[in-house]
Amino acid sequence: NAGVMQNPRHLVRRRGQEARLRCSPMKGHSHVYWYRQLPEEGLKFMVYLQKENIIDESGMPKERFSAEFPKEGPSILRIQQVVRGDSAAYFCASSPPAANTGELFFGEGSRLTVL
Amino acid sequence: AQTVTQSQPEMSVQEAETVTLSCTYDTSESDYYLFWYKQPPSRQMILVIRQEAYKQQNATENRFSVNFQKAAKSFSLKISDSQLGDAAMYFCAYATLPMNRDDKIIFGKGTRLHILP
Repeated sequence: NAGVMQNPRHLVRRRGQEARLRCSPMKGHSHVYWYRQLPEEGLKFMVYLQKENIIDESGMPKERFSAEFPKEGPSILRIQQVVRGDSAAYFCASSPPAANTGELFFGEGSRLTVL
Repeated sequence: AQTVTQSQPEMSVQEAETVTLSCTYDTSESDYYLFWYKQPPSRQMILVIRQEAYKQQNATENRFSVNFQKAAKSFSLKISDSQLGDAAMYFCAYATLPMNRDDKIIFGKGTRLHILP
């Protein structure tokens, strides 16, 4: 049973370009979370999605950032017109429906570098 | 709003010794989960140990144990017989119980643990 898969592992973009980060949750998991980790910082919650629904996006910047989790395919975190401050590691985590244990299963992260 | 605080950015311990990582949290809820996650240099986070707030008994997982003080809102992690493979970033985390549809896990800033050979 494959774990949470994120790609790309490393992404380099120039200022103003778009970044797309993908996350395939563990098999059977329908809840996906995106977290951002800045250097020497903890994980900051960004967004929580279930299939075709955004449940909580309170941690997402209001502009340039969007996330989706379609019925088919991976969850995508999209950052438009990237700026240097977007450079960070972006982690995806998943959990099964109604698990009620609180445990999240994390991917290895996608490191975005904005030049 | 719930918060999680880890006041030790870095710690070091001699191999085979015992180390305790501190965590405090703030919540008005009575039922919740607390977690310690480990992030090794390979960067994939893994769950180390979990504690349900309604359980008085401290959770243990092999060499890892917690000291859960609910009244003090303290949740420290003790690692016994430290091994080189324990070197990692450790995150304390909180989640409301039961996990409602709009709940999320709140993480502290982490403590980087160095193991000295």
